[in-house]
Amino acid sequence: GAGVSQTPSNKVTEKGKYVELRCDPISGHTALYWYRQSLGQGPEFLIYFQGTGAADDSGLPNDRFFAVRPEGSVSTLKIQRTERGDSAVYLCASSLLGVGATGELFFGEGSRLTVL
Amino acid sequence: AQSVTQPDIHITVSEGASLELRCNYSYGATPYLFWYVQSPGQGLQLLLKYFSGDTLVQGIKGFEAEFKRSQSSFNLRKPSVHWSDAAEYFCAVAGRDSSYKLIFGSGTRLLVRP
Repeated sequence: GAGVSQTPSNKVTEKGKYVELRCDPISGHTALYWYRQSLGQGPEFLIYFQGTGAADDSGLPNDRFFAVRPEGSVSTLKIQRTERGDSAVYLCASSLLGVGATGELFFGEGSRLTVL
Repeated sequence: AQSVTQPDIHITVSEGASLELRCNYSYGATPYLFWYVQSPGQGLQLLLKYFSGDTLVQGIKGFEAEFKRSQSSFNLRKPSVHWSDAAEYFCAVAGRDSSYKLIFGSGTRLLVRP
């Protein structure tokens, strides 16, 4: 597709369950980012991939959160033992290079996660 | 601490009126500066950015922003608002040494009166 694609668009789960959120970036974009947007707030950085490797995962809130990008394209954000506080919209973005080089992140529409 | 403040949670303007959305930042050095717009059912879209040079930057959809170093501000302006501009607007900064890590403000929701 032409833009960043995220699936599912909505996910409702129960506390304690495991969740996977998928991001398909724009073709050819080497950099991929995950952000989290809580209600009434701006997005918060979670993790940045350059190619297959996580260049910076300092924004992941704890070890229940993990993300992979095994082939340098599609990425999956994995959340174990979900908690109600994990409820948010998880945004994925990609860019051709880093922000400094191109100046623009292209965001997907997000995956809304609700933990009951 | 690094932060971005958007003091107005909501702003309502009449169609055709001018608009200014405020953004102040706290950062150790001059960061990269951005404005994004988020419309329902759409992803965040970049309106404009400031890296260096001319402090008045032009963006898409008729928006502009002015970087004022002395005030640590990067306010967004538009001379004449259209109904389609109703959306949420986010100011963001990124460090020149960590340009991939955007720090966003909490946003300003713009409502446009017909």
